[in-house]
Amino acid sequence: EVQLVETGGGLIQPGGSLRLSCAASGFTVSSNYMSWVRQAPGKGLEWVSVIYSGGSTYYADSVKGRFTISRDNSKNTLYLQMNSLRAEDTAVYYCARGQWLAEYWGQGTLVTVSS
Amino acid sequence: SYVLTQPPSVSVAPGKTARITCGGNNIGSKSVHWYQQKPGQAPVLVIYYDSDRPSGIPERFSGSNSGNTATLTISRVEAGDEADYYCQVWDSSSDWVFGGGTKLTVL
Repeated sequence: EVQLVETGGGLIQPGGSLRLSCAASGFTVSSNYMSWVRQAPGKGLEWVSVIYSGGSTYYADSVKGRFTISRDNSKNTLYLQMNSLRAEDTAVYYCARGQWLAEYWGQGTLVTVSS
Repeated sequence: SYVLTQPPSVSVAPGKTARITCGGNNIGSKSVHWYQQKPGQAPVLVIYYDSDRPSGIPERFSGSNSGNTATLTISRVEAGDEADYYCQVWDSSSDWVFGGGTKLTVL
């Protein structure tokens, strides 16, 4: 059974850093396209970043240069390193598996950027 | 970047048919996927590649895509179908693109 479990969210001050983790089970992260999608409170879904099975990475313009997606094959885990956080980064962050679509989603982790 | 436009809300009586549209420039040339999201929960895929249903999704859910509009159709609507629905496509300039979402209210 495919499972994705996100951790690492919390309250962080503007300008701070946070690393989100997404532990996968039931499949191999490195063999799949893995993405982060976020949802601000009361708002819609926004794609954030993707890492291809080959290792290429891409980012939404809103986070480019501040966020870094990566994976640890030995831990079968996906990460999102978030630096220089802003109030507008406040959202539930979901990890998802899939290339052209999100086949599976985690339950999400809430990141709140506030002083 | 590619833009998907959905109506903010759709209302339907139980037992009737709900149609949720997703507009985009020549969207018929792309594959459209639909997600259902209930309050406090993660999205769930309900239609993929325009009209395919994942296992476990009722046959009441169907999809179509042509021209500049894709449509999610929910037949014989039930109270449990009340949720937010999002369309999504893949675009070379911005990877996954989501519509703004449609809140389905069952009257």
